[in-house]
Amino acid sequence: KNQVEQSPQSLIILEGKNCTLQCNYTVSPFSNLRWYKQDTGRGPVSLTIMTFSENTKSNGRYTATLDADTKQSSLHITASQLSDSASYICVVGKANTGTASKLTFGTGTRLQVTL
Amino acid sequence: NAGVTQTPKFRVLKTGQSMTLLCAQDMNHEYMYWYRQDPGMGLRLIHYSVGEGTTAKGEVPDGYNVSRLKKQNFLLGLESAAPSQTSVYFCASSYTGFRIDEQYFGPGTRLTVT
Repeated sequence: KNQVEQSPQSLIILEGKNCTLQCNYTVSPFSNLRWYKQDTGRGPVSLTIMTFSENTKSNGRYTATLDADTKQSSLHITASQLSDSASYICVVGKANTGTASKLTFGTGTRLQVTL
Repeated sequence: NAGVTQTPKFRVLKTGQSMTLLCAQDMNHEYMYWYRQDPGMGLRLIHYSVGEGTTAKGEVPDGYNVSRLKKQNFLLGLESAAPSQTSVYFCASSYTGFRIDEQYFGPGTRLTVT
């Protein structure tokens, strides 16, 4: 069964601190892995997209890593800001799916950044 | 560019009523998608379209119908709403369905069926 599991479920950190969110997946065959940020009451917004040949990708203070051998990814947030408070969703795309990319979504990690 | 917009933002229906959710995109994208997001679950694909005049079933299509009469619009219909369809519905679009093509999401429609 294709699954994407994220940890922790929720996290509270102080502004300015770093944090790392984890994602494990069983989707096969693997095509790509995405991290999305979803603010409360809004739609998800893409942060990074990686294929199996990429093991790290950055977008500002966000850095995603991918280990396709162990089927793990992480999202590292540096020098957190209050605006980073959101849910972060790991999404894995399946290969060989015909006309449309089949995506499996994790349930997300809810991050709260406090003063 | 407005990106992806959804109408309405909120709706309350009684069991058995029908309604249509409208999604519009101004990015000239070929592919459009409807997802639902429920507490404790990841987004799940309901239906999608690979171009004007086409539709296809996703992971959870039962109880929903869709139409793509114009390239920029993708409609999701509930013919007879059930409480199990209480959810937040997201529309998304992408230029193609290519494996690393980014999907752009709308702001969502919160639907409650009583």
